Amino acid sequence: AQKVTQAQTEISVVEKEDVTLDCVYETRDTTYYLFWYKQPPSGELVFLIRRNSFDEQNEISGRYSWNFQKSTSSFNFTITASQVVDSAVYFCALSEANTGNQFYFGTGTSLTVIP
Amino acid sequence: DGGITQSPKYLFRKEGQNVTLSCEQNLNHDAMYWYRQDPGQGLRLIYYSQIVNDFQKGDIAEGYSVSREKKESFPLTVTSAQKNPTAFYLCASSRAGASYEQYFGPGTRLTVT
Repeated sequence: AQKVTQAQTEISVVEKEDVTLDCVYETRDTTYYLFWYKQPPSGELVFLIRRNSFDEQNEISGRYSWNFQKSTSSFNFTITASQVVDSAVYFCALSEANTGNQFYFGTGTSLTVIP
Repeated sequence: DGGITQSPKYLFRKEGQNVTLSCEQNLNHDAMYWYRQDPGQGLRLIYYSQIVNDFQKGDIAEGYSVSREKKESFPLTVTSAQKNPTAFYLCASSRAGASYEQYFGPGTRLTVT
């Protein structure tokens, strides 16, 4: 079964619109970690954020914000006032304390910001 | 600068040939990984290594082999037994432990004809 689900395959927004990328995860571990990565057209994945399962505080970094809700097993990512440079594929990932370093990646959401 | 290097960026091979993809890191990370990415798909783990001279199979290890003789290096060999080797290959490294983020190299795009 898929441990990380990103149901949105592709999203297009017009520049300056807000956009939310969904991520739903599945785990039986009580200790786990969630991550978001950005993959621009160049191909290299860029780390954006990490949250642990004991910290449900939302986080904001500039135009980026993340909403972690254990009750719905979701870790959604919102970009406010989107820009063309935000166009990329975004991946959500999960790691579990019991399985060590192994990451489980979602299938990614391709975001296109139209100028 | 600290980081992960993969070479070459593009690689072309004939079917039936083995090919080795290079991955080097100078981040002093214990763990290293190889992923395969196909169009429209997420990353699938091929092999990972948490320490020198030790490595484990990931979800799609068949047709691939690795070695970890040095902490800095984790080369991946795509053998002729891999039925569909054309893909984008990403190498990553991290500190040991589930809580640490992985850092990725620029990737190698392999085309086998």
